[in-house]
Amino acid sequence: EVRLVESGGGIIQPGGSLRLSCEASEFLVRSRYMSWIRQAPGKGLEWVSLVYSGGRTFYADSVRGRFTISRDRNSKMMFLQMTDLRAEDSAIYYCASDTLGYTGYEFEFWGQGTLVTVSS
Amino acid sequence: DIVMTQFPASLPVTPGEPASISCRSTQSLQQSNEINYVDWYLQKPGQSPKLLIYLGSNRASGVPDRFSGSGSGTDFTLKITRVEADDVGLYYCMQSLQTPPTFGGGTRVEIK
Repeated sequence: EVRLVESGGGIIQPGGSLRLSCEASEFLVRSRYMSWIRQAPGKGLEWVSLVYSGGRTFYADSVRGRFTISRDRNSKMMFLQMTDLRAEDSAIYYCASDTLGYTGYEFEFWGQGTLVTVSS
Repeated sequence: DIVMTQFPASLPVTPGEPASISCRSTQSLQQSNEINYVDWYLQKPGQSPKLLIYLGSNRASGVPDRFSGSGSGTDFTLKITRVEADDVGLYYCMQSLQTPPTFGGGTRVEIK
């Protein structure tokens, strides 16, 4: 079965930190590219970050310096460490994988998402 | 960043009739290899997005042939030959040419 399962969302105060996790099924462990994409309530999609299987990372300007993406292929997990959270970071966070291998950004598989709410 | 603009924002459709969504980018998404780096996604109500079309005109696995992508350069179109009730939702175009990948604002397809 091809699955991505996110966890770790919740309600957090501004300035706080949160760590999101994404567990990949066996098939997707071999995926070279995995990303986090977010969707604020009632809004469109915003790419957040990408990690290569070799560890190289990329970030959206809006999160660079505050978020850190990482991946542990041995445990089939991907993580997003979020610090200095702001109200505008409130969103559903999806993990997604590109198994097609052209650009890293053809998101063929998505998880169900985990909701992050930043509020005092 | 490359800006993607979709139109219309809302598209009422009649089942069995064709439908078309347009997407325009602020710079060319076509490379010298003639590949257009634009993808299309459908987000059904309450669900995660699903890849429909990648690299301009390639249908993703399991996507019915009612869906097709076309266009080049800065202007792209997603066409549905015969809309079905299950096709309702938000359609997004996205450019995968540059980091960051950027999405259009979405087109909401609804049944008349």
